[in-house]
Amino acid sequence: QSVLTQPPSASGTPGQRVTISCSGGASNIGGRTVNWYQHLPGRAPKLLIYTDNQRPSGVPDRFSGSKSGTSASLAISGLQSEDEGDYYCSAWDDSLHGWVFGGGTKLTVL
Amino acid sequence: EVQLVESGGGLVKPGGSLRLSCAASGFTFNNYIMNWVRQAPGKGLEWVASISASKYYIYYSDSVKGRFTISRDNAKNSLSLQMNSLTVEDTAVYYCIREGRFCRGGVCSNWFDSWGQGTLVTVSS
Repeated sequence: QSVLTQPPSASGTPGQRVTISCSGGASNIGGRTVNWYQHLPGRAPKLLIYTDNQRPSGVPDRFSGSKSGTSASLAISGLQSEDEGDYYCSAWDDSLHGWVFGGGTKLTVL
Repeated sequence: EVQLVESGGGLVKPGGSLRLSCAASGFTFNNYIMNWVRQAPGKGLEWVASISASKYYIYYSDSVKGRFTISRDNAKNSLSLQMNSLTVEDTAVYYCIREGRFCRGGVCSNWFDSWGQGTLVTVSS
């Protein structure tokens, strides 16, 4: 059971917009910033969004992040086949004194 | 270019020990917090341990506390993870990770900005 809660799966057709939710608590998302990671098949995980809504250089603006209270969301617009993979939210937890991850959301491009 | 190269993975019996290493290059190693994160087969990402640049702050997940030891050699740009009393639940790909950080007005935000390719640890009899 992960500290952060994500839906196990999401899907969309090419060009569509999909959102992935991440729910936590006051000791993590509620008081800390949220990061999102993309894990594509056969590759190492990669930073996708940091500090709730910032994109590292090289990440397309199709990817965006938001946070409200103890929940966060990742939105992917203009869905592409190469976006298919696993997506994880993460935050530091002040009660656990460690990083926590969501269980991951498997994105399928239909 | 930031490079993180893990080594030391392999097959070990339950109760055994293994030491993972991570060679870092392309950045000023002693300026960064470093972490280990793992992924068990068919499971999600799990944070394992963190060590500050000065080695003063060290944190472990509850699942490895007392069995694993994270360390670093800033002179050699190297991160290590000593794993003892291994169980089958420790079977995973272990990633070496650099932690980025930005502070403003006394408030800091952190993230995992660079990941190695991972090294597989298999615990099996």
